[in-house]
Amino acid sequence: SAVISQKPSRDICQRGTSLTIQCQVDSQVTMMFWYRQQPGQSLTLIATANQGSEATYESGFVIDKFPISRPNLTFSTLTVSNMSPEDSSIYLCSVEDRQTVSGGYEQYFGPGTRLTVT
Amino acid sequence: SQKIEQNSEALNIQEGKTATLTCNYTNYSPAYLQWYRQDPGRGPVFLLLIRENEKEKRKERLKVTFDTTLKQSLFHITASQPADSATYLCAPGEYGNKLVFGAGTILRVKS
Repeated sequence: SAVISQKPSRDICQRGTSLTIQCQVDSQVTMMFWYRQQPGQSLTLIATANQGSEATYESGFVIDKFPISRPNLTFSTLTVSNMSPEDSSIYLCSVEDRQTVSGGYEQYFGPGTRLTVT
Repeated sequence: SQKIEQNSEALNIQEGKTATLTCNYTNYSPAYLQWYRQDPGRGPVFLLLIRENEKEKRKERLKVTFDTTLKQSLFHITASQPADSATYLCAPGEYGNKLVFGAGTILRVKS
């Protein structure tokens, strides 16, 4: 299993500013995932971050708005840029457990960052 | 487009009873299905994975079924306890593709 920590745990930000969320994993992992979860809704994948390459963004999410860094195999950051109230959400990072041989890997999640934009 | 449906209304049950949560999916042929538990203010925690060739899987008080004909998974918690109160998410998956999560069902177990 993997233990994941995120910073900050929560923040209140003003419209137009940017916030960088950090994700630290206690073991080396190839892929890290960034999700957004709005109240009462499902987890929505923002992007997949591989070490040493550009992140892969899902439909509806763009690099200019959500730049991601992946400097090594245990760390990643997600920046929410030029924030608006619609960006208020919980942001979660996640990794897969690739110990399972046959696929269908379970995922481990960080505790999340609760962002409120005023 | 792929659609995952979980009961949007909270499920309220009495302690000791069996809780049954439903996950239906459409426009989708998942090779496996995962269930997660999420407590308020925390990230989801993996509970069980069931593959398309498995009809049922058990883990302690948890039981999951997977009916690919009905396109449905049922998640059972037997002898439920107040500590089981949480949101439960289903996530059908295809090998090589990302997981897609349902919105979750809130379970409340009352003593």
